[in-house]
Amino acid sequence: QVRLQESGPGLVKPSETLSLTCTVSGGSVFTTNYNWAWVRQPPGKGLEWIGSLYRNGFTSYNPSLESRVTMSTGMSKNHFSMQLNSVTAADTAIYYCARLVRLPASDDNWFDPWGQGTLVTVSS
Amino acid sequence: QTVVTQEPSFSVSPGGTVTLTCGLTSGSVSPINYPSWFQQPPGQAPRTLIYTTNTRSSGVPGRFSGSILGNKAALTITGAQADDDSNYYCALYMGRGVWVFGGGTKVTVL
Repeated sequence: QVRLQESGPGLVKPSETLSLTCTVSGGSVFTTNYNWAWVRQPPGKGLEWIGSLYRNGFTSYNPSLESRVTMSTGMSKNHFSMQLNSVTAADTAIYYCARLVRLPASDDNWFDPWGQGTLVTVSS
Repeated sequence: QTVVTQEPSFSVSPGGTVTLTCGLTSGSVSPINYPSWFQQPPGQAPRTLIYTTNTRSSGVPGRFSGSILGNKAALTITGAQADDDSNYYCALYMGRGVWVFGGGTKVTVL
């Protein structure tokens, strides 16, 4: 059973870069049909899709964040990461990672499971 | 800009039935939007209930069902229980890897 766990600094200063890692246990980030995503939730508000990272290296980002976000897997089979630069107080949120399952030769895809989330506060 | 709409809140009696909807401000929801539904109790992470319109995720009780009703996606809870008191979010796939979440519906069971 795959489990995901987010990690990173709980506090980031304005204008700096937010870096988060998602650790995947019980599986590999390189498994066929599995891709990866980040979603965030500002305090008291709804969910916002940040972006998705596909096994073939393709990335797709929320247009409102595209100029500031980067996602990657690196060389580890158990981790993927996200960086968001030039952060402001509006980026304060709980950040979740999730597995994005995608059927072969199809656009059919869905999020499952989710990590527990990590709160990131942007403040000086 | 694509906006996904959900009712802000619903109340349902224990044992009752409630249907939440997920729509688009412009256009209709169709199966190729691969509608998903998530449950998020206060202070907890989201949990996937339904994906690809009507497929229940592993371990999800049968009282949760998904469908397309008219021009919207729908989540129906049949025989609501106290544990179903939660926030519910939908998400729609817009193509080219892009997903959009709805604003969420607060369901109160009382």
